[in-house]
Amino acid sequence: DVKVTQSSRYLVKRTGEKVFLECVQDMDHENMFWYRQDPGLGLRLIYFSYDVKMKEKGDIPEGYSVSREKKERFSLILESASTNQTSMYLCASSPGLTFTRSEQYFGPGTRLTVT
Amino acid sequence: AQSVTQLGSHVSVSEGALVLLRCNYSSSVPPYLFWYVQYPNQGLQLLLKYTSAATLVKGINGFEAEFKKSETSFHLTKPSAHMSDAAEYFCAASLVGGTYKYIFGTGTRLKVLA
Repeated sequence: DVKVTQSSRYLVKRTGEKVFLECVQDMDHENMFWYRQDPGLGLRLIYFSYDVKMKEKGDIPEGYSVSREKKERFSLILESASTNQTSMYLCASSPGLTFTRSEQYFGPGTRLTVT
Repeated sequence: AQSVTQLGSHVSVSEGALVLLRCNYSSSVPPYLFWYVQYPNQGLQLLLKYTSAATLVKGINGFEAEFKKSETSFHLTKPSAHMSDAAEYFCAASLVGGTYKYIFGTGTRLKVLA
């Protein structure tokens, strides 16, 4: 079974802190994604990566950056956390060079609260 | 712009009743379509997907969905609801031939009444 793990299930940070969210997948997938999930808004793509050291902006990249130094690991960085970044963050991975046909495999999520 | 619309953010059904969750997409080219389920405090998992083969797609846990091009719909059904079906369901679409991402609907929370 594909497994996508996220470093924390719950995280509480203060405004202005730099926050790192880690995601690891164990199935050698090429593609990895970071979403945020908010009630009534569904899932919105922050960043994705289709290869090591490659990244592309999603729909809401402002205030975030990412790092993919190894194929299995994709990190989301909040440079200076703000209260409007309080949300559920979901990491996902998918196989293959063609994104569109493949299902995505999701981690359990990290619920981040910024106070 | 492409979009996915899920009609009804909350749906309640009685145990044993038909489950019908609605999903419509807007795209000039039929996309690939997916249904995911999210149980409380968990990530999403795939229920089923349509990738231009059979229009009636069967998934896990007794769910199925039918792709109807004329109605631009991909509604999810299950003949008989079970208490364990209570969860949030997301429809997603991805364009054939190049777009890098899914477009997710806003989700439908299913409540099953005893």
